[in-house]
Amino acid sequence: AQSVSQHNHHVILSEAASLELGCNYSYGGTVNLFWYVQYPGQHLQLLLKYFSGDPLVKGIKGFEAEFIKSKFSFNLRKPSVQWSDTAEYFCAVNADNQGGKLIFGQGTELSVKP
Amino acid sequence: KAGVTQTPRYLIKTRGQQVTLSCSPISGHRSVSWYQQTPGQGLQFLFEYFSETQRNKGNFPGRFSGRQFSNSRSEMNVSTLELGDSALYLCASHRDPNTGELFFGEGSRLTVL
Repeated sequence: AQSVSQHNHHVILSEAASLELGCNYSYGGTVNLFWYVQYPGQHLQLLLKYFSGDPLVKGIKGFEAEFIKSKFSFNLRKPSVQWSDTAEYFCAVNADNQGGKLIFGQGTELSVKP
Repeated sequence: KAGVTQTPRYLIKTRGQQVTLSCSPISGHRSVSWYQQTPGQGLQFLFEYFSETQRNKGNFPGRFSGRQFSNSRSEMNVSTLELGDSALYLCASHRDPNTGELFFGEGSRLTVL
């Protein structure tokens, strides 16, 4: 069965620190990959996406992610976090263009200390 | 343009009752998906509708059902509620019905007593 694993349950950083959140998936076929973010009190929203092409994708608010097919990974990075990045981050996989069916990881809660 | 609208936002039911949740997608989006979010299980896919037809279904019992209307609005129904059905139910609409790029609503929080 397809699955998505996020390495960290809760990450605490100080402002200006660098961020990397790990995400691995298990599926050997074609995938579309996503990171979604849920800010406190807000709804889930798309941070960035990978469909094909350049494996390094850039999203909103300075986030980027790198797709490494050989490692089945799609890690999220940001060089310098801000207090406003405090949120829960979800990695998700859409396998074989299965429409709206996403497999989500368990989420990583990021707390940024001012 | 308006986002995904879900109603009601909060509701409390008792075991054995049934509940219907409603979702209005972004204008022009023809696909709607539903997810259940709980602290223990995270985000789990319930089902997806495109042009009034169910395209995909997750691993939930038959008590969970849904439908989509000709105006793309969708409803989901849970019958014979159990305590474990307490969750945030999220609706998402799709710009592209094939890619998984979803626009989520704020959810309907169901508490079953």
